[in-house]
Amino acid sequence: GQNIDQPTEMTATEGAIVQINCTYQTSGFNGLFWYQQHAGEAPTFLSYNVLDGLEEKGRFSSFLSRSKGYSYLLLKELQMKDSASYLCAVILREYGNKLVFGAGTILRVKS
Amino acid sequence: EAGVAQSPRYKIIEKRQSVAFWCNPISGHATLYWYQQILGQGPKLLIQFQNNGVVDDSQLPKDRFSAERLKGVDSTLKIQPAKLEDSAVYLCASSLDVGNYGYTFGSGTRLTVV
Repeated sequence: GQNIDQPTEMTATEGAIVQINCTYQTSGFNGLFWYQQHAGEAPTFLSYNVLDGLEEKGRFSSFLSRSKGYSYLLLKELQMKDSASYLCAVILREYGNKLVFGAGTILRVKS
Repeated sequence: EAGVAQSPRYKIIEKRQSVAFWCNPISGHATLYWYQQILGQGPKLLIQFQNNGVVDDSQLPKDRFSAERLKGVDSTLKIQPAKLEDSAVYLCASSLDVGNYGYTFGSGTRLTVV
């Protein structure tokens, strides 16, 4: 997606911790989402950040730095079922406050 | 609550044929979105409805794509004629209202144009 960058693929081991980064460039930021998408399925909501800092929800945490145009999704105690694509999506004012998605990061969890 | 329903799940057509997709959003959700997700890319917004009116169709290729939401509930997206590059997953999503970003996505329709 326009102005939103995330790594294409990552591999991690079951039980480990993995951090998926997302950077964006915008003159008008109104919030950032992380979605999980298993192959052939709908994206499902994981987290929402609009203020700087860390939002924790169980094994998943999301961090935002608005000044740096940077976010990460942290997955702890990885499980095989966490193998999926992780989409970073930003509400961009220059796109009419629409939700604009990055291309997604495919995470492969190995045993 | 029931999720966003989409059909068909899969569709294979030849180029220059036409195809239609159907979406039934979550009950009470005023805003409905159609996204196109090409393999290896993130979803791209095609059109956004608020009730039965179009809010944004700036990225809809209007020479071949059309969409409607006549009664402000379910919606259809049509492609006529299809091109090879239209091969993608077409996702429908809904939310309570414009500015409410609590989107719920359907499972999508995977279109293959051969």
